[in-house]
Amino acid sequence: NAGVTQTPKFRILKIGQSMTLQCTQDMNHNYMYWYRQDPGMGLKLIYYSVGAGITDKGEVPNGYNVSRSTTEDFPLRLELAAPSQTSVYFCASTPGGGLGQPQHFGDGTRLSIL
Amino acid sequence: AQKVTQAQTEISVVEKEDVTLDCVYETRDTTYYLFWYKQPPSGELVFLIRRNSFDEQNEISGRYSWNFQKSTSSFNFTITASQVVDSAVYFCALKSGNTPLVFGKGTRLSVIA
Repeated sequence: NAGVTQTPKFRILKIGQSMTLQCTQDMNHNYMYWYRQDPGMGLKLIYYSVGAGITDKGEVPNGYNVSRSTTEDFPLRLELAAPSQTSVYFCASTPGGGLGQPQHFGDGTRLSIL
Repeated sequence: AQKVTQAQTEISVVEKEDVTLDCVYETRDTTYYLFWYKQPPSGELVFLIRRNSFDEQNEISGRYSWNFQKSTSSFNFTITASQVVDSAVYFCALKSGNTPLVFGKGTRLSVIA
């Protein structure tokens, strides 16, 4: 029962490098989300998607890009890594957009930019 | 605007003590949901409970209980007879209208044996 799977779990990048954080879910959920969690802070929404081919910005989208070519996958791309992007990144999904649907989270990706 | 405030940044208790984690929310919507999530030291986020704005009944699940009071816009979480395994960061979150889920900053609970 995989749920939401994120890879990699840890990564160190140099300033200016690029990388893609992978997220896949096997629950056939339409909605998917990317959050970042900084120390002592709650989660902040970066981007979300309501279905394949549809994405939208969240609260903190600058410096990131996403795509949603399939229902299962929702990768997050960092084009020019900056120290301010050092954070823990969580991917999540819900079946739909209903208010009461709890989000299913992946285990997170810990990213350090040096 | 939607907002969730968890005023307690860190709490430390001795095992078997009861502890209450506070959550105060703001929203102008009349229909909304409140959630609690647990983040243990291993880092994953675990869904604990949800409550909709029309259901003010308190809920108990084992040693966990939740008190929802619309009059004070609060959704507090109590752990009875705390255990070391309860040590975690606990997040309260609000979903209303078309806005994304809004999280509080979390309360770090340390239960000392």
